[in-house]
Parts: sequence; C-alpha cells; structure tokens
Amino acid sequence: EVQLVQSGAEVRKPGESLKISCKASGYTFTAYWIGWVRQMPGKGLEWMGIIYPGDSATGYSPSFQGQVSISVDRSTSTAYLQWNSLKASDTAMYYCARQDGYAEVDSWGQGTLVTVSS
Amino acid sequence: QSALTQPASVSGSPGQSITISCTGTSSDVGGYNYISWYQQHPGKAPKLIISEVSNRPSGVSNRFSGSKSGNTASLTISGLQPEDEANYYCSSYRASSTRGVFGGGTKLTVL
Repeated sequence: EVQLVQSGAEVRKPGESLKISCKASGYTFTAYWIGWVRQMPGKGLEWMGIIYPGDSATGYSPSFQGQVSISVDRSTSTAYLQWNSLKASDTAMYYCARQDGYAEVDSWGQGTLVTVSS
Repeated sequence: QSALTQPASVSGSPGQSITISCTGTSSDVGGYNYISWYQQHPGKAPKLIISEVSNRPSGVSNRFSGSKSGNTASLTISGLQPEDEANYYCSSYRASSTRGVFGGGTKLTVL
C-alpha cells in the first residue's frame, strides 16, 4: 500500500526557519515525482514545486521560486519542504503528493499545518 | 501561473445530477488528456476520483464521471448523495515547472 506520512503540525515566529517532511512507503520512491501543495485557510490547492527523487530534478511555481526549497533523502525515502525565513502569510496546510509527471496525484500525505505568528 | 477556472459553487438535491466545469486553454486542458478530479471533505486530504479525463480509480463510485470538450473538462455526479457534499478540484497537465495546475475549486452543496 502506497503511503505518504508527513511530520506533525508546527508553530513558528516570523523570520524563523522550518523543514517539514514526507516519508514514502509501499512503492519505488525514485520512480515517481513528489510535489508539495499549499492550501491556505479556506482556499484552494496550489502546486508549490515538485521533485523527481530519481535524479533530484526540481521545478518550482514562480510564486514560490526562491521562497522555499524542496529536497529528498533517497536513503530514507523522505521528501522535504524548507523555508529559511517564514512569513505570517505562510500559514497554511501543506500536503505532499505523489505525482505521475502528468499532474495526476494518486496518493496524498495527511497534511502538515504550519502556523506562523508572533 | 493562472489556475483553471471552475464555478465557485454548485448545488443539487439528493438523487439529482450536477456537472462541474473546468476551463483552461490549449496549453493545458485542451492540449492533453491528463485531466484529473479530486474530492476534498473539510479537514481531509484530497482524494482522486477521476484520472485521464474519464477513468475512475478502483473503489470510486460509478456515479462520478468525467469528460472533455475543447478547453473545458467536466465532472458529473449522478444520483447525488449527502456524502457528496465537498469541495471538488480539477487538475490538468501543463508543460510548466510544476508539470500541472489546479482549478480554483468548486463547493458542492447537497440541499
């Protein structure tokens, strides 16, 4: 069974850094893209960026380029989403998602709620 | 990157059918048959209900069906049930950095 298990909810202050994780199991980690999707409170889904664990190729939405960093650890089948300096506007639910390379997501993580508040 | 266009809300009574549209361009919806639909209940992760325009994953009710004409894809839910009340998102492949784009989402209310 394919599973994506995300790290728990986080509370940070503006300007702080954060790295959240998504551990994959039940499939060949290097054979599928992993993406990160933001959902702000009461709003829709947005692709932030994706990574292909096979060769670590990445792509970022223009809205998120330079604001976040996506990486993987192939030894633990884990994908990461990292911020160096959080803003209050980063408060949202973040989902990791297994993508087939054609935008179809057949497996989602349970979500990580990030709250940024002074 | 602009999102695909969906109606903000639709509603229907139990047993009725509804259709949700998803309009894009020739660079996404109109150019590829990689259209998928997701159902999201409040507080839950999205769930894939339609892939590649009209394919239903195993376990998804046959009351859900998908189609496409030109730059517009559609999701039809027949025989509406109370548990269908949720938000629905379309998605299309787009040759972009993230390889895809979502629609803005449609809230379905079952009256």
